[in-house]
Amino acid sequence: ETGVTQSPTHLIKTRGQQVTLRCSSQSGHNTVSWYQQALGQGPQFIFQYYREEENGRGNFPPRFSGLQFPNYSSELNVNALELDDSALYLCASSLHPRETQYFGPGTRLLVL
Amino acid sequence: KNQVEQSPQSLIILEGKNCTLQCNYTVSPFSNLRWYKQDTGRGPVSLTIMTFSENTKSNGRYTATLDADTKQSSLHITASQLSDSASYICVVSAEGSQGNLIFGKGTKLSVKP
Repeated sequence: ETGVTQSPTHLIKTRGQQVTLRCSSQSGHNTVSWYQQALGQGPQFIFQYYREEENGRGNFPPRFSGLQFPNYSSELNVNALELDDSALYLCASSLHPRETQYFGPGTRLLVL
Repeated sequence: KNQVEQSPQSLIILEGKNCTLQCNYTVSPFSNLRWYKQDTGRGPVSLTIMTFSENTKSNGRYTATLDADTKQSSLHITASQLSDSASYICVVSAEGSQGNLIFGKGTKLSVKP
């Protein structure tokens, strides 16, 4: 176990709805990165938070947003859900943006 | 465009046999390369990490190699076990990428008894 936890484990939503996914980082880690992994694909970088500030963003639309709290836990929010948003959402924490990332178990989102 | 290509896409081997997985990348400027193991429905777990100056690194039965000149890496698994059945993902980080890791699609390994 990496010490990174995510909730919920599974989630079913319908198109147009909004969803919030949560991640608790490993103790001592101040950096959290979020990834989307479609079935049979490698994870795609969404964004990274470092000390409560966004520290880089991948090629995802603005309806994907996030934040990091003072305890370095993080949330990923997705508005106006689309069918293609169905995926495994992974968060990873690290001591620093350039250090090894430790992944949580993921949240599997299904959009109907 | 920064890309990571892995081969084969899938592999089936018998328990106890060895295997080698390949990774080619076009990420520049290169910072480091990692191999992750991902069990179905779980998050990836780091196996090895190598920087430009390292050409081999071992973690138990896993040995990774890196040729920074040809931009190729391999992951060799010796004496495979049933628990090695998973996807193995090659991940490359570019300098100044602010944590944006470029993931390959992975090689799905199945170890049969």
